[in-house]
Amino acid sequence: QSVLTQPPSVSGTPGQRVSISCSGSRSNIGSNTVNWYQQLPGTAPKLLIYRNNQRPSGVPDRFSGSKSDTSASLAISGLQSEDEADYYCAAWDDSLSGVTFGGGTRLTVL
Amino acid sequence: QVQLVESGGGVVQPGRSLRLSCAASGFTFRSDDMHWVRQAPGKGLEWVAFIWSGGNYEYYEDSVKGRFTISRDNSKKKLYLEMNSLRVEDTAVYYCVRGMSGTGWAFDSWGQGTQVTVSS
Repeated sequence: QSVLTQPPSVSGTPGQRVSISCSGSRSNIGSNTVNWYQQLPGTAPKLLIYRNNQRPSGVPDRFSGSKSDTSASLAISGLQSEDEADYYCAAWDDSLSGVTFGGGTRLTVL
Repeated sequence: QVQLVESGGGVVQPGRSLRLSCAASGFTFRSDDMHWVRQAPGKGLEWVAFIWSGGNYEYYEDSVKGRFTISRDNSKKKLYLEMNSLRVEDTAVYYCVRGMSGTGWAFDSWGQGTQVTVSS
């Protein structure tokens, strides 16, 4: 069981806006920044959001991140079929002295 | 561009050892922190180990402490993961990952992964 809790799956139709939640605790999200990764089928993960809400160059502004207290959220607007992937949140955990990932959320574009 | 190429994976019996390597190119390897992250079949991502850019500071995930050792050779631009006393539950794809400078543990470049299978 992961330290960070994500919904196993979310779905949406093209053009829709969806969000993925990531719930943690004071020792991880509550004290440190959150990063998000996208893993397309059969490929290595890719950094999507860092420091809670920053996008690396090349990531479309349809992707946005936010954090409040011990929870974080990834929002995807203008949903496209190519967004169908697994999404993971991650943060440093002060209690574990290590990086912890959420269990992952599979996004299905209907 | 940044390139990370893992090697050394394979099939090994429980209790045996394996050494993974990662060849880095396209960036100043000696300046960047490096990590190993793994993914068991059909499962999520799991961070395994970290090594500071200078090579003299390390962190490990609890289940691999005392069994795995991360190291680096900055002159060769290589990252290593020495895995001893391997268990069935260590079966996974192992990714070599670069830590994004100044971001608090964001991983901005990933290798293609190398498969490690622990089975009798």
